[in-house]
Amino acid sequence: QITLKESGPTLVKPTQTLTLTCTFSGFSLSTSGVAVGWIRQPPGKALEWLALLYGNDDKRYSPSLKGRVTITKDTATNQVVLTMTNMDPVDTATYYCAHRLNSAFDIWGQGTMVTVSS
Amino acid sequence: QTVVTQEPSLTVSPGGTVTLTCASSTGAVTSGHYPNWFQQKPGQAPRALIYTTSNIHPWTPARFSGSLLGGRAALILSGVQPEDEADYYCLLHYDGVWVFGGGTKLTVL
Repeated sequence: QITLKESGPTLVKPTQTLTLTCTFSGFSLSTSGVAVGWIRQPPGKALEWLALLYGNDDKRYSPSLKGRVTITKDTATNQVVLTMTNMDPVDTATYYCAHRLNSAFDIWGQGTMVTVSS
Repeated sequence: QTVVTQEPSLTVSPGGTVTLTCASSTGAVTSGHYPNWFQQKPGQAPRALIYTTSNIHPWTPARFSGSLLGGRAALILSGVQPEDEADYYCLLHYDGVWVFGGGTKLTVL
């Protein structure tokens, strides 16, 4: 059974760096075609795709956030980490991580709400 | 910047059929965009329904189907149930990058 769970701070100040961790089980990032992605959703708004990480360490980023976002993995602990710099109140959102097999984003975490406020 | 467009809202009667579409600012949506569809109910994480245009997940009810229609990706709900009232999002692939549509709020009335 594949599961993913997001964790991190619920409140960050403007200009700070956000670090979120996705801890997963039930699959290996080393498996061909498998990746983990990050998606966010501001309150009352649409989903936004942020980043994707493959087991071979290949990374893809949303052009609108490139430069602010970094995605990394820790294979030993089955974790994928999203770092976002220079946080702003508009970055207030629920952040999700999701399992991707080939071209299907199939299993999502429950999400973690992050508020950016001084 | 690539924009993916969905109908903001649709209303359907119980037992009816409704088609939600997903258009790309770059032109026709093709199988190469690997369209994914998701359902999201209030306070819940999105749930995957369809991948690569028309493939369903094991948990997807049979009344949901996907296709390409008139240059767009389409999600078709046949025999709509009250519990299908939700927000629906499409997701398209562009050369390694993915873009969500703005979502469709489906009301069952």
